[in-house]
Amino acid sequence: DQQVKQNSPSLSVQEGRISILNCDYTNSMFDYFLWYKKYPAEGPTFLISISSIKDKNEDGRFTVFLNKSAKHLSLHIVPSQPGDSAVYFCAASNAGNNRKLIWGLGTSLAVNP
Amino acid sequence: EAGVAQSPRYKIIEKRQSVAFWCNPISGHATLYWYQQILGQGPKLLIQFQNNGVVDDSQLPKDRFSAERLKGVDSTLKIQPAKLEDSAVYLCASSQGLAVAYEQYFGPGTRLTVT
Repeated sequence: DQQVKQNSPSLSVQEGRISILNCDYTNSMFDYFLWYKKYPAEGPTFLISISSIKDKNEDGRFTVFLNKSAKHLSLHIVPSQPGDSAVYFCAASNAGNNRKLIWGLGTSLAVNP
Repeated sequence: EAGVAQSPRYKIIEKRQSVAFWCNPISGHATLYWYQQILGQGPKLLIQFQNNGVVDDSQLPKDRFSAERLKGVDSTLKIQPAKLEDSAVYLCASSQGLAVAYEQYFGPGTRLTVT
């Protein structure tokens, strides 16, 4: 049972436009959400996170929006750059002493020059 | 600051053979994680250490997988005997502590192919 779902396996956008990556979750106990970026032959790298007490977090070109009622979050990249081409993973963690991350399957983003 | 080191980067073995992976976390990081990432999926946590103690190994197939973190620094993950379905990338990560707000830093991974 996939508790964190990224329903779009791939996304292609033009350089300079907005990239929107979506993530849905089923576990209402999740209270912290993270986005990681992964290039081929490298490990994932942390991008941005959001706590469930917020609905938006912004860091430069990256903004994450959280809609708790819909159990949905999205990552916006504006403007998109060719170097953003990578696989993006959404991950979630629930409250408790052992904050294990539950990961989605990833979305492969291609930013075309 | 040196990142998380893993070796080997690639390994090809036959089923029923044994294999071991090594991880050296970022200096000072108390928490160490081993993940399995099968092609097309997200990472799945196998085991989590806090210093040299196990915090979570609920998804570790203990009949064939073992891991240790002696002295609370380096860690090894072993598979014995390997099965075809163990073909995956094995990622090691470390963080300053257990709190989720602590960023996990990942190594480059070891790509295992079992034939």
